Amino acid sequence: GAVVSQHPSWVICKSGTSVKIECRSLDFQATTMFWYRQFPKQSLMLMATSNEGSKATYEQGVEKDKFLINHASLTLSTLTVTSAHPEDSSFYICSARPPSGKVNEQFFGPGTRLTVL
Amino acid sequence: DAKTTQPPSMDCAEGRAANLPCNHSTISGNEYVYWYRQIHSQGPQYIIHGLKNNETNEMASLIITEDRKSSTLILPHATLRDTAVYYCIVRAAINKLVFGAGTILRVKS
Repeated sequence: GAVVSQHPSWVICKSGTSVKIECRSLDFQATTMFWYRQFPKQSLMLMATSNEGSKATYEQGVEKDKFLINHASLTLSTLTVTSAHPEDSSFYICSARPPSGKVNEQFFGPGTRLTVL
Repeated sequence: DAKTTQPPSMDCAEGRAANLPCNHSTISGNEYVYWYRQIHSQGPQYIIHGLKNNETNEMASLIITEDRKSSTLILPHATLRDTAVYYCIVRAAINKLVFGAGTILRVKS
């Protein structure tokens, strides 16, 4: 089956630093990847959609200069949280969609727990 | 995409069938019904999806009413490991997945 990995699985950083999270589709090429954020006891909130080789589309209220998304290849997308603050502490989850032949499928990574001190 | 309504929580006895309902009365003709689940502190896991017909796979069955305004996810023999938040999502094929609050299913021994 399709596998999506994330690295790191958890990270602790100091306020003001930047953190990069990687999302990889291991056995398929992902033309589209999605980034979600989930606060404790809440549902997943879509942050942005990225298509390989083009700029990400951000959801309303998500700061594109703070959450930098790069989707440089068909198997890798990265999310960089710039100048992180304690309120950015959350569970970040990526998702990948295979090529257009299987538009109904979307597979999720295991998530990255970010704690900003 | 159409909105969905799910009960906030449900309990089920281990070994019994778990029937999770979902209302989607404003669903359009080109929108699919998807079910995902999220076990605590993990990423969501795809369960099943359907358009009109009932669907079954190794994990679950999806029953969609004839008018498509509601559906039921059936886990035929629930185990403790099925305890999770279950999300019913309605969307057109190319659209993004937007998660609602979901149903917390607690399977008890």
